[in-house]
Amino acid sequence: DTAVSQTPKYLVTQMGNDKSIKCEQNLGHDTMYWYKQDSKKFLKIMFSYNNKELIINETVPNRFSPKSPDKAHLNLHINSLELGDSAVYFCASSQPGTTGLHNEQFFGPGTRLTVL
Amino acid sequence: RKEVEQDPGPFNVPEGATVAFNCTYSNSASQSFFWYRQDCRKEPKLLMSVYSSGNEDGRFTAQLNRASQYISLLIRDSKLSDSATYLCVVNRASGTYKYIFGTGTRLKVLA
Repeated sequence: DTAVSQTPKYLVTQMGNDKSIKCEQNLGHDTMYWYKQDSKKFLKIMFSYNNKELIINETVPNRFSPKSPDKAHLNLHINSLELGDSAVYFCASSQPGTTGLHNEQFFGPGTRLTVL
Repeated sequence: RKEVEQDPGPFNVPEGATVAFNCTYSNSASQSFFWYRQDCRKEPKLLMSVYSSGNEDGRFTAQLNRASQYISLLIRDSKLSDSATYLCVVNRASGTYKYIFGTGTRLKVLA
């Protein structure tokens, strides 16, 4: 049983296209995230949703639009893809701790996006 | 200065060696600390949370030094299978959901 799943695993597309990546978690977590890992392997947060509400929106081009239809799903739509968007995109989820401390994040397997 | 800093390595060590990584963080209000492991072309996975009192899990020991604002990971009796990138992760003060990742330290355990 996969805890955090993403589709597709690989995505190869031309510049200028629009594409979506889907993420689902079956852990019952309230919070979900999108991260981008570039060629230098640095993991950078893009967005976070808590109970379907956007709570983190980093400096990301507005070509990237997240959508959370329910708290188990967080999708990422990218318009007008550019070469620099090529990266691995990871979805993650976590459950806020009751004492204010934060619990671990669980990551999906990643979506490797290549823009040609 | 990055909020979370790690030596990128690589650390090349022979099997059976003991190796230690440090990670410094700049936000003194940080509350939660973790070490994750990431294998090549895979997702990060939690290795251990880091508690104020320090914690140990088999060959792995994590320590937190709030005064100097760093966390450490010690791996004893290194195995070939320990070869991976180790990511230091810090979460800011309670009420925020932002986990800050270090760039990772690459470990290669050699036969």
